[in-house]
Amino acid sequence: KAGVTQTPRYLIKTRGQQVTLSCSPISGHRSVSWYQQTPGQGLQFLFEYFSETQRNKGNFPGRFSGRQFSNSRSEMNVSTLELGDSALYLCASSPTRMTAKNIQYFGAGTRLSVL
Amino acid sequence: EDKVVQSPLSLVVHEGDTVTLNCSYEVTNFRSLLWYKQEKKAPTFLFMLTSSGIEKKSGRLSSILDKKELFSILNITATQTGDSAVYLCAVCSDTDKLIFGTGTRLQVFP
Repeated sequence: KAGVTQTPRYLIKTRGQQVTLSCSPISGHRSVSWYQQTPGQGLQFLFEYFSETQRNKGNFPGRFSGRQFSNSRSEMNVSTLELGDSALYLCASSPTRMTAKNIQYFGAGTRLSVL
Repeated sequence: EDKVVQSPLSLVVHEGDTVTLNCSYEVTNFRSLLWYKQEKKAPTFLFMLTSSGIEKKSGRLSSILDKKELFSILNITATQTGDSAVYLCAVCSDTDKLIFGTGTRLQVFP
């Protein structure tokens, strides 16, 4: 069974641009969550999508948005990029909606550098 | 505010040593605690703990949770160079979000 796939693996953008990252979950998994990982802050939860609806949200500005398609694939968009958005963006999937009993399986991430 | 703190931040050991990694937490309505290993990019799942005092074991790795004192430890015995990684602790509360610590970086030298 293929794991969680994230594309692209690396991205370089300049301030003010926007970016779209993609995540394909493990086959059969319907929940997709997004995290931002930086050296100072560690992994921080962005949002979770389940059945094409945002179910949970972290404390990030509205420049960060996402969506989920009917095949459970998800995209994350960041508009008006800032230098501080440079990070590793990780996607994780689980079979059902994220709860305390579910294990999330992570992709290898997209490394975004904002110049 | 919910918080997960891991210690030490970094650890350097020789092959064959035993290490103990710590994770303490302050969350409202704790539900579960998870350990992940992150070598290059993708964190891989190690353990999920929900009950106090029950040790989870997988090969040379083991973990236990203390819900009274609000902490968990991850033990690795007879370390190998392949154990070199960042070990992440995460806690799930009734908000159903995973709150991660900043991780412990373990380096094992031959």
